[in-house]
Amino acid sequence: GENVEQHPSTLSVQEGDSAVIKCTYSDSASNYFPWYKQELGKRPQLIIDIRSNVGEKKDQRIAVTLNKTAKHFSLHITETQPEDSAVYFCAAVTGNQFYFGTGTSLTVIP
Amino acid sequence: DAGITQSPRHKVTETGTPVTLRCHQTENHRYMYWYRQDPGHGLRLIHYSYGVKDTDKGEVSDGYSVSRSKTEDFLLTLESATSSQTSVYFCAISPYGGRDIQYFGAGTRLSVL
Repeated sequence: GENVEQHPSTLSVQEGDSAVIKCTYSDSASNYFPWYKQELGKRPQLIIDIRSNVGEKKDQRIAVTLNKTAKHFSLHITETQPEDSAVYFCAAVTGNQFYFGTGTSLTVIP
Repeated sequence: DAGITQSPRHKVTETGTPVTLRCHQTENHRYMYWYRQDPGHGLRLIHYSYGVKDTDKGEVSDGYSVSRSKTEDFLLTLESATSSQTSVYFCAISPYGGRDIQYFGAGTRLSVL
């Protein structure tokens, strides 16, 4: 099956700086790559996604890039704010199955 | 939040007892999923359903069974709970399966003593 690796597991940045989270996947059949944000004690919520026919997607301060050849995709958050502090999960989707990374705990220091 | 309700929200049970968790949706979405979330493992798929009475296994299905007799309800059963099944369980729904967004329920915290 698919194997998704996510790095780093923890990340601390100063408010206003950028944060980058990277994921790799193993199954070339994966064709949909969502990112979820989970605040403490809450449910995961989609923040951005990208499909395999697109290389980059941006939504305000959040962007995702996909390199199908290298089988990796990344989440970029610019101008970080304290409310960005949360755990972020990447996922790769094969068929109808979602395979999640192990999460990155992001702390934005005011 | 999408119309997803998980019940119970918290449960403590003893090893060897059967446990059933319920996921109820009001969105009429075709796909429903059960995940478990454990520290260091992220979210792992247990089972999913692509229609009434249509289910398939995920990557950690051993020790779990599911049933979907109505579009709106997806049940997860632990036939004989073990301490290794202590976890937070999330249900998710999706209109188009692997082609689109999943919406998660609030989760059920299960402790098996």
